[in-house]
Amino acid sequence: DAGVIQSPRHEVTEMGQEVTLRCKPISGHDYLFWYRQTMMRGLELLIYFNNNVPIDDSGMPEDRFSAKMPNASFSTLKIQPSEPRDSAVYFCASSLFSFIDEAFFGQGTRLTVV
Amino acid sequence: AQTVTQSQPEMSVQEAETVTLSCTYDTSESDYYLFWYKQPPSRQMILVIRQEAYKQQNATENRFSVNFQKAAKSFSLKISDSQLGDAAMYFCAYRSANSKLTFGKGITLSVRP
Repeated sequence: DAGVIQSPRHEVTEMGQEVTLRCKPISGHDYLFWYRQTMMRGLELLIYFNNNVPIDDSGMPEDRFSAKMPNASFSTLKIQPSEPRDSAVYFCASSLFSFIDEAFFGQGTRLTVV
Repeated sequence: AQTVTQSQPEMSVQEAETVTLSCTYDTSESDYYLFWYKQPPSRQMILVIRQEAYKQQNATENRFSVNFQKAAKSFSLKISDSQLGDAAMYFCAYRSANSKLTFGKGITLSVRP
């Protein structure tokens, strides 16, 4: 397996624009996580899914953020409208079916909102 | 809610020496897993070591070992014989029985040649 695949690797957008980040988890993994990494806050959990169903979205910062997982092989994180404070590295991770399993991370998307 | 605290933002170690990275967590659960991840400048997150809460024996992986103190809710990582390639950001993580995976803020480790 190629691992967790995120796209794009880098995204630069203007304030107010819609941004969509994409993630393809490892085949057969039941869990998918979205994180945001900044110097100030470290690695924050935004939302996670189990078998395509959102389990906990308490980390989503505002209504401007939304995430979907329409099937087992694809997830999106959307920001609309984007703001400069959303600039960060966004990671997607997936894991097998139990809390004993490690999470495998994608390479991240570096988002810059100007 | 579970929280993970890494209070030291940075540490430095001399090559070939030993360094210990601290982590504490807060939980009311009895069973959970703890992890240490390494993030080198490439940004890729790499699992270093894991520990199950029910196991009293501390986990070891080659030069990496943990000191797990369940009552104190402490989970520190010891790196022996430090190498230049160990320079990275290290994250402590807690995974609850409902599989939620929470990370600390991370610590930047530098290795002096």
